[in-house]
Parts: sequence; structure tokens; C-alpha cells
Amino acid sequence: GEDVEQSLFLSVREGDSSVINCTYTDSSSTYLYWYKQEPGAGLQLLTYIFSNMDMKQDQRLTVLLNKKDKHLSLRIADTQTGDSAIYFCAESISNTDKLIFGTGTRLQVFP
Amino acid sequence: GAGVSQSPSNKVTEKGKDVELRCDPISGHTALYWYRQRLGQGLEFLIYFQGNSAPDKSGLPSDRFSAERTGESVSTLTIQRTQQEDSAVYLCASSAAGQEPNYGYTFGSGTRLTVV
Repeated sequence: GEDVEQSLFLSVREGDSSVINCTYTDSSSTYLYWYKQEPGAGLQLLTYIFSNMDMKQDQRLTVLLNKKDKHLSLRIADTQTGDSAIYFCAESISNTDKLIFGTGTRLQVFP
Repeated sequence: GAGVSQSPSNKVTEKGKDVELRCDPISGHTALYWYRQRLGQGLEFLIYFQGNSAPDKSGLPSDRFSAERTGESVSTLTIQRTQQEDSAVYLCASSAAGQEPNYGYTFGSGTRLTVV
């Protein structure tokens, strides 16, 4: 079955790096995604990675993909208080437009 | 409109009553999705509409849940005889399906449903 797992909470000091981890199950997923949800809002796409890539960097964000272990991570450099939110990873289901989302990781950034 | 619009933003209802949640997708987006987000949990897929194809209803949790969409426009999610476990945020998203990556997935702000 399809299942995407994440740890529930992460707390970091402002200026440090944050690493949010995710494991997924569908080895045929074409793309994997990271979404951000701020309080009272819907989800916003942060970044995505194609399944044949190992790494993708986008400004302060670095996505690492270990396809063998079905492990995805999101690193946020120089974490700011505005980064406090819930972060969801998601996998695409092959031959559909459906995304399966993880449980979300609540990132709290303290001064 | 510029984004996905959902209404109402908040709904409190008594157990046993029916509720209707509305989603207005981005104009031109052929695909529309409903997800449920319970407190402290991830997004649970409910139903997916793509153009004129039969909807994928595989995520609907019971026959009390149903959804309709007319063409490529507004969708309504109906929950009959609401139960307390239906309390959640119901999120709608739309996309210009068939394009990868699916960065066309735009979410609404959700409807927070509380069943008392």
C-alpha cells in the first residue's frame, strides 16, 4: 500500500539548519514533493525532485533523495522564524495525478 | 479567480445533520481533489475528479460522503448524518492535470468542520 511517513515535530534555533525526513513506499513515484502549510492556510508547494535525481538545491532549500532506501529529506539552511510551519512530503502515484501526503512535520523555530 | 476558493471557512454543525462544503477551483484546471486533514494528522485523500472521466472515489471513508462536480467547475462535498469523527479540515486542490511535475496542485485554505 501507499504510505508516507514523517516525524511529527522538529524544534530548531534561529540561524541553525533544519532537516526534515520522510520515507515513502511507492518505488515507481515519478516525482516527490515538499509542501509547506502555515497556520490557517492551505498547502504551498516548496520544491519537488524528479526520482532519477539525488539532490536538488533551491536557495536555502536542499532536497536529498535516496531512492534505494525510499528516503527523502528537506534541509533548510539558516532557519528563520518565518519558516515555522508544517512541512509535508508527498509522492506521486504512477499513472495518476494523485499525491499521497505524509503526516506532516511541525517545525518550530525559536530565537 | 486567482486561487482555489473554499466555503465556508468554518462550519459548526450538530451530530446527525448534513453539511455541504464548496470548492471553486482555478479556472481552466481540469483536475480537482478533496483531502481531509484531521488534527495532528496528514492529508487523507478523499476523491479526485478529472475532466469528464468517472471520479476516483477510492478515498471516501463511508457512504455518508459524496461529492459532485459539474464539468470543470465548482465541486460540492456532502457529508450526511455527520459524526464527531468527521471533524477535520477539508482541503480542496485543483491542477492542470496531465502535466508533470504536478506543481499545478493549488490548495484552498480549507473548511474547518466541527461536529458537536
